[in-house]
Amino acid sequence: ETGVTQTPRHLVMGMTNKKSLKCEQHLGHNAMYWYKQSAKKPLELMFVYSLEERVENNSVPSRFSPECPNSSHLFLHLHTLQPEDSALYLCASSEGDRGLYGYTFGSGTRLTVV
Amino acid sequence: AQKVTQAQTEISVVEKEDVTLDCVYETRDTTYYLFWYKQPPSGELVFLIRRNSFDEQNEISGRYSWNFQKSTSSFNFTITASQVVDSAVYFCALAGGNKLVFGAGTILRVKS
Repeated sequence: ETGVTQTPRHLVMGMTNKKSLKCEQHLGHNAMYWYKQSAKKPLELMFVYSLEERVENNSVPSRFSPECPNSSHLFLHLHTLQPEDSALYLCASSEGDRGLYGYTFGSGTRLTVV
Repeated sequence: AQKVTQAQTEISVVEKEDVTLDCVYETRDTTYYLFWYKQPPSGELVFLIRRNSFDEQNEISGRYSWNFQKSTSSFNFTITASQVVDSAVYFCALAGGNKLVFGAGTILRVKS
């Protein structure tokens, strides 16, 4: 399988639930990203991992916890979320973490918090 | 600091019309790259084009064309003879210093 794959595509969770979003890339890229896209808002960069080390965390609440066990996989662990966290969560990967070759995006996970 | 501005929040056209999406950028880097991405309703951002700062030649790919002008720091995108399938959100992005910076996006609605 090629490209960036995100699972699940859709997720509905209660505010007390714990769930995880998964992202997998088979492009040989060494940087991976989580973005949040809310309705009528710009793309928000949440986390950047380069060579499996977290290199950026843009003031994201602790109820979002990323994990990068290897260069091909990235997770976003969710717990005690709020309704305003409902959004499309996009994973991306790139060759190097400067984005000079652009990013390859997954299809996203559409999260609804009820 | 790097910045990308897409001043057009939403554009509506009728099928077969030509449409231009504007992108203006700011950077202090002499070497940088510019991108356009398309996000259809399915959600995935699809890469359309990458240009480096030393190549100001306009590019055409089918109905798509891009006009890069360093003098005005613009990288505009034109769709000729638009089709309903072109309806999507289009993002302009800039890579230079240390990461890829996206504009806010332009929603394009093409009506039949």
